[in-house]
Amino acid sequence: AQSVSQHNHHVILSEAASLELGCNYSYGGTVNLFWYVQYPGQHLQLLLKYFSGDPLVKGIKGFEAEFIKSKFSFNLRKPSVQWSDTAEYFCAVNLYGGSQGNLIFGKGTKLSVKP
Amino acid sequence: DGGITQSPKYLFRKEGQNVTLSCEQNLNHDAMYWYRQDPGQGLRLIYYSQIVNDFQKGDIAEGYSVSREKKESFPLTVTSAQKNPTAFYLCASSILPGQRPYEQYFGPGTRLTVT
Repeated sequence: AQSVSQHNHHVILSEAASLELGCNYSYGGTVNLFWYVQYPGQHLQLLLKYFSGDPLVKGIKGFEAEFIKSKFSFNLRKPSVQWSDTAEYFCAVNLYGGSQGNLIFGKGTKLSVKP
Repeated sequence: DGGITQSPKYLFRKEGQNVTLSCEQNLNHDAMYWYRQDPGQGLRLIYYSQIVNDFQKGDIAEGYSVSREKKESFPLTVTSAQKNPTAFYLCASSILPGQRPYEQYFGPGTRLTVT
């Protein structure tokens, strides 16, 4: 079965530290890739997405992600985190070029930013 | 205000009872989805629907049922056959898969506790 792996269950950083959250998927065909964020008590919302073109995509709140096809990876990055980035982050993959619409989610990474 | 509403926010039921979770969207989306979120498990797809009166099972459909009588509404029934129903349930909607810009929009969720 296809799967999405997020390597870190819980990441703890101090403010201004750089962030990189890993995401790998196990499908060799065309994929669409997403990062969602769930702030405490809030809806799951989209941070950024990749469909095609430039493999470096920029999202909201200073986040970016790079699609590396050869590594089946879509890692999320932010140069300098803030306390308000404390949340749970989910990587998701849409297989078969999006023809089915289903998203396969990773198990999530909790980010705690210390002020 | 466009969006997805789920009600109630918290729901408590006794074991052996069926319970129906509501999901309504006013985004004019054709596709709707139900996910289950458990701590450390990410989101897992229960059912999805791309058109009125049609729906497909996701990865963990056993013990659940859905209906799609109206485009705006996609209620989920958690039946007494679901062995471990206590969880956080998320509803989502999207334009049809394959169209752009594709992303799933999520509701605030319903936390179901069965004792």
